[in-house]
Amino acid sequence: KQEVTQIPAALSVPEGENLVLNCSFTDSAIYNLQWFRQDPGKGLTSLLLIQSSQREQTSGRLNASLDKSSGRSTLYIAASQPGDSATYLCAVTNSNYQLIWGAGTKLIIKP
Amino acid sequence: GAVVSQHPSRVICKSGTSVKIECRSLDFQATTMFWYRQFPKQSLMLMATSNEGSKATYEQGVEKDKFLINHASLTLSTLTVTSAHPEDSSFYICSARVQRGDYEQYFGPGTRLTVT
Repeated sequence: KQEVTQIPAALSVPEGENLVLNCSFTDSAIYNLQWFRQDPGKGLTSLLLIQSSQREQTSGRLNASLDKSSGRSTLYIAASQPGDSATYLCAVTNSNYQLIWGAGTKLIIKP
Repeated sequence: GAVVSQHPSRVICKSGTSVKIECRSLDFQATTMFWYRQFPKQSLMLMATSNEGSKATYEQGVEKDKFLINHASLTLSTLTVTSAHPEDSSFYICSARVQRGDYEQYFGPGTRLTVT
């Protein structure tokens, strides 16, 4: 059974710092991995999708990597801003085409 | 492209009544839609997978007679919470999957249900 773990559960850093969020999964048989952002009481915003054949994806200040063999992904946020404060969720698409979710990392960027 | 809408965004209902939530794919056809619920400070939990024209597949522990799902067209799926109770209060999110190689899901903005 696929399990997705996100570490840390919460992170607070000063504005301007670069940071890394971690995601691990137990079964390497995935179609893709996605990173999402969720603001309090709001829906999901898709940030990056990495296909199983890819190693990384970049969008602006965000870079996501995928090491399928070791079951790990990282989301790198450069030059963090207070507006980056949110909960970041990682999810993998399993062999049944379902999304399996991590519990999220709550990020706070202090001005 | 690939926009999913949900209606209503918020709903308050009395215990014992039924509530219908709509999920629409606005600019694409979705043969598969998913329904999730999210409790405060928790991640999303998949409730059911809905395929157009067929019965939904429910996850273990989800009561299919309580959470009625209808996917009558390629752009609309509905979730009806029947005989709602306060413990059904939650954030319900739908997603729609495009039938192409990357299997990406596109998410609606969610519906906040409060049962009093």
